[in-house]
Amino acid sequence: NAGVTQTPKFRILKIGQSMTLQCTQDMNHNYMYWYRQDPGMGLKLIYYSVGAGITDKGEVPNGYNVSRSTTEDFPLRLELAAPSQTSVYFCASSSPGLGYYGYTFGSGTRLTVV
Amino acid sequence: EDKVVQSPLSLVVHEGDTVTLNCSYEVTNFRSLLWYKQEKKAPTFLFMLTSSGIEKKSGRLSSILDKKELFSILNITATQTGDSAVYLCAGNYGGSQGNLIFGKGTKLSVKP
Repeated sequence: NAGVTQTPKFRILKIGQSMTLQCTQDMNHNYMYWYRQDPGMGLKLIYYSVGAGITDKGEVPNGYNVSRSTTEDFPLRLELAAPSQTSVYFCASSSPGLGYYGYTFGSGTRLTVV
Repeated sequence: EDKVVQSPLSLVVHEGDTVTLNCSYEVTNFRSLLWYKQEKKAPTFLFMLTSSGIEKKSGRLSSILDKKELFSILNITATQTGDSAVYLCAGNYGGSQGNLIFGKGTKLSVKP
């Protein structure tokens, strides 16, 4: 009963490096999301997906890319990391088709770009 | 522009006090309003509200939605130190994507 699993939990990147944040869910949820949370701020939507092969931009997509090849996985790619991408990243999933819009969140990835 | 505004941004109370957290929203094609509790890590779900005037309760926590005035409140009675957390309010907006727009949160600190 893992829910939403994110890896890694912590990462330090140098400016200009790239990395992929992994997200896997085992609840067969169609909808998956990536949010970032900066200190003292709410969560801002980066990208979302309503099913395998379908992704769309959220509020703050610049500097990120996603893919959704399976229902379970929704990796977030950072290309050319910048200090402005220092944040805590949360992956979440939901199943609106059941009439429930609450999210199940992963435990987060704390990323520092130096 | 869609937005969710929470107040106060932070609050310090003593154990046993009752607190009220506020959330106002302007959300296109509003479907529901959700409350989450965030401690050290990921937010955990508290309530989802879709209808005006119907209170939802879970133990010492309760919440209600006013769709006419576009706000919701979260009440916590007989607060305990374990209630210390950031409480996030989120509006579900637009179509069928189930996307949420979050407020900045209210940081509640409960002192012994």
